[in-house]
Amino acid sequence: DQQVKQNSPSLSVQEGRISILNCDYTNSMFDYFLWYKKYPAEGPTFLISISSIKDKNEDGRFTVFLNKSAKHLSLHIVPSQPGDSAVYFCAAREGNNRKLIWGLGTSLAVNP
Amino acid sequence: KAGVTQTPRYLIKTRGQQVTLSCSPISGHRSVSWYQQTPGQGLQFLFEYFSETQRNKGNFPGRFSGRQFSNSRSEMNVSTLELGDSALYLCASSIVDRGLSDTQYFGPGTRLTVL
Repeated sequence: DQQVKQNSPSLSVQEGRISILNCDYTNSMFDYFLWYKKYPAEGPTFLISISSIKDKNEDGRFTVFLNKSAKHLSLHIVPSQPGDSAVYFCAAREGNNRKLIWGLGTSLAVNP
Repeated sequence: KAGVTQTPRYLIKTRGQQVTLSCSPISGHRSVSWYQQTPGQGLQFLFEYFSETQRNKGNFPGRFSGRQFSNSRSEMNVSTLELGDSALYLCASSIVDRGLSDTQYFGPGTRLTVL
């Protein structure tokens, strides 16, 4: 059973607009969440993370929002650029356990 | 600083054979984790090594094993290969900073094809 779910397999956005990628989780013990970006034939690249003690973390064009009561997090990319086109993975872990539990990814296409 | 390197990048084997994959972590990183990525299952955790000891293990059969050397380099081995073992195998390293949630950095992966 998927503990981390990314229900949208794909998303298409116009360049300059906002991209919103969503992630839901079922394990209330998860306390650290990460977003990774992956290009074909490359390993995932770390983007941004958030601890469960926060509800927002921002890094440049990337912002992650966490709603613990809804067990939901989202990644906002503003403004979206064609180079952002990739597969985005949401991952979660519990405590100091470095075992990451991953969603299946959302393929983002940013159209010029 | 050089990133995580994995060798080989591509590998073709036949059923029943065994394979060894290698991972060199980022300099100074002491933890190495291995993941299997397949289209239907996404990324699945295999195991994590720290200070030459396996600290975490995922739900994979005993045919999957690994080890870590004193220089933090790690190898994983898959014996008696099955068709379903065809996947991208990813290695990730992290610095292991006590009390902080450290980030895992990934290598490019080894694409294993079992015929």
